[in-house]
Amino acid sequence: QVRLQESGPGLVEPSETLSLTCTVSGGSISPYYWSWIRQPPGKGLEWIGYIYDSGSTNYNPSLKSRVTISINTSKNQFSLKLNSVTAADSAVYYCASTPTSAAGTYFDFWGQGIPVTVSS
Amino acid sequence: SYELTQPPSVSVSPGQTARITCSGDALPKKYAYWYQQKSGQAPVLVIYEDNKRPSGIPERFSGSSSGTMATLTISGAQVEDEADFFCYSTDTSGKPVFGGGTKLTVL
Repeated sequence: QVRLQESGPGLVEPSETLSLTCTVSGGSISPYYWSWIRQPPGKGLEWIGYIYDSGSTNYNPSLKSRVTISINTSKNQFSLKLNSVTAADSAVYYCASTPTSAAGTYFDFWGQGIPVTVSS
Repeated sequence: SYELTQPPSVSVSPGQTARITCSGDALPKKYAYWYQQKSGQAPVLVIYEDNKRPSGIPERFSGSSSGTMATLTISGAQVEDEADFFCYSTDTSGKPVFGGGTKLTVL
């Protein structure tokens, strides 16, 4: 069973860039899709975007102008960058494996999540 | 934008059957998935492709979908099943969407 672990700063200043990394263990990062999902305190889940091992990406239109997801297959890692952050970007950020087929796209295994607060 | 609508809360007594609904216009064409999230933990997939149960998920969890509504059923709910439940699907363009979540209380 694949395991995922998020890492990165827990505090980011307003207008700066949030940067997180997800390390995949127990399996290869190729040839699969991988996602970032977030959950503001006390609220629901929001899909941010996903990446394939080739580097092909798909982003939530509501965040597309500020998001970049990248992948490093040699390190079995993929990363999230969200720029120009505000307090509204404070959330628990999850990475997840993302089975994708003609039947659909979903998230099967999740990391434990990393809380990120945007504050000065 | 596309929305999946869930009731905010459902409450049952231990041993009773809990049913959580999820409505969305694209559900006749798209699979529904269900996630259980206990307090302070990451979501866990409990139903995929409308009615399939991942390995390790108890048999009391089942799913169904008809028309624009998907339903998660917990037969003989237990106290440890208390959690937030989120339905998930994609819109017609394939964009992932989560429902707003349902808080299940078992007491």
